[in-house]
Amino acid sequence: DAGVTQSPTHLIKTRGQQVTLRCSPKSGHDTVSWYQQALGQGPQFIFQYYEEEERQRGNFPDRFSGHQFPNYSSELNVNALLLGDSALYLCASSLDRTGFLETQYFGPGTRLLVL
Amino acid sequence: AQKITQTQPGMFVQEKEAVTLDCTYDTSDQSYGLFWYKQPSSGEMIFLIYQGSYDEQNATEGRYSLNFQKARKSANLVISASQLGDSAMYFCAMREAPPGGTSYGKLTFGQGTILTVHP
Repeated sequence: DAGVTQSPTHLIKTRGQQVTLRCSPKSGHDTVSWYQQALGQGPQFIFQYYEEEERQRGNFPDRFSGHQFPNYSSELNVNALLLGDSALYLCASSLDRTGFLETQYFGPGTRLLVL
Repeated sequence: AQKITQTQPGMFVQEKEAVTLDCTYDTSDQSYGLFWYKQPSSGEMIFLIYQGSYDEQNATEGRYSLNFQKARKSANLVISASQLGDSAMYFCAMREAPPGGTSYGKLTFGQGTILTVHP
């Protein structure tokens, strides 16, 4: 049973550039959430995708956008990169079931360094 | 206000002993879930244990148990018989249920506790 996968594992970009991170959810899951984890901090929620639509968003600027594909995989795009965007980006998947607080399972993350 | 508070930046424990990692939370929702995750230096967030707000029994998963005290709004993680491989960062997280009880909802994390297990 494949777990959550993310690519790439590491990425180095310069300020002003754009980046795309990818995530494949755990088999059987239909919901993908993205989190940003700065060094020494807990993860912060960016947004969540379900049925190819963003249905919940955290306190992140519009430079952060995403997409979910029919196969439930997802992309996180960040435009106009800032030094402060350097972080570990975590993708989590879950199964949407009304009435249940489903566990989110995380991938290994993508470490982004902005120079 | 912090929704999840982990007051112990670091904890040390001797191998084979038990250790308790503290977590307090703040919510006005009746329905919520509390989760503990382990994050080794590799970065992956590993799910350990879950406690629902309506669960009367404390959750247990192998060597992990969750000491849930609803009135005190605390959800402490107890690791029994510590192993060297338990050395990692541990995060407490909460998921609140919007009205209507739908399942989606973001996780709110605490700042984490670094656990070091000594041989």
